[in-house]
Amino acid sequence: SYVLTQPPSVSVAPGKTARITCGGDKIGSRNVHWYQRKPGQAPLLVMSYDNHRPSGIPERFSGSNSGNAATLTISRVEAGDEADYYCQLWDPANGVFGGGTKLTVL
Amino acid sequence: EVQVVQSGAEVKKPGESLRISCQGSGYSFTDYWISWVRQMPGKGLEWMGRIDPRDTYTNYSPSFQGHVSISIDTSISTAYLQWSSLRASDTAVYYCARQRGGLDALDIWGQGTTVTVSS
Repeated sequence: SYVLTQPPSVSVAPGKTARITCGGDKIGSRNVHWYQRKPGQAPLLVMSYDNHRPSGIPERFSGSNSGNAATLTISRVEAGDEADYYCQLWDPANGVFGGGTKLTVL
Repeated sequence: EVQVVQSGAEVKKPGESLRISCQGSGYSFTDYWISWVRQMPGKGLEWMGRIDPRDTYTNYSPSFQGHVSISIDTSISTAYLQWSSLRASDTAVYYCARQRGGLDALDIWGQGTTVTVSS
């Protein structure tokens, strides 16, 4: 089965740029979605199809996908961005999530 | 408002059965699949399976096949996740979420249902 690998944690200072990676074999040929989960809240879709921002998601969030890694980039990080982030794709009918990355805003 | 609303928290004993629900509103329920996702305490998200309301086709993750079942009642826009015999290891938060098509993102999530299985 397909495996998605994320770093367990990423730390960034407010106002800086956070990059969260999601590794997988030839992941660039697949469609990757990203979710944000804050404590006590349901997951929220923040990026679909590699780089499409849903309505209501700030422009500070962007995505890319190439080769063996997809990346969620958060520019001008704010305290409110602190959360767990998960990448996800379909393989092809089974959903696969990465292990999640805890973003800490210093 | 488009939303999916899940049933409330449950406390059960090992071996008991359970069915939790997920009701969609504010959209055409049959136009969107419903997936179920598990989050065990302190762990990440795990996709369990999904159902297509148009024809009740289901597919399950191999990790959950045979232990849970997913069903739907389109007359009340509600999907269900069911266990016939719970285990302590089923203790988790369970989310439902909708998706438009087979490769689409899970764009609207329920608030989660906490299931605690303990003797």
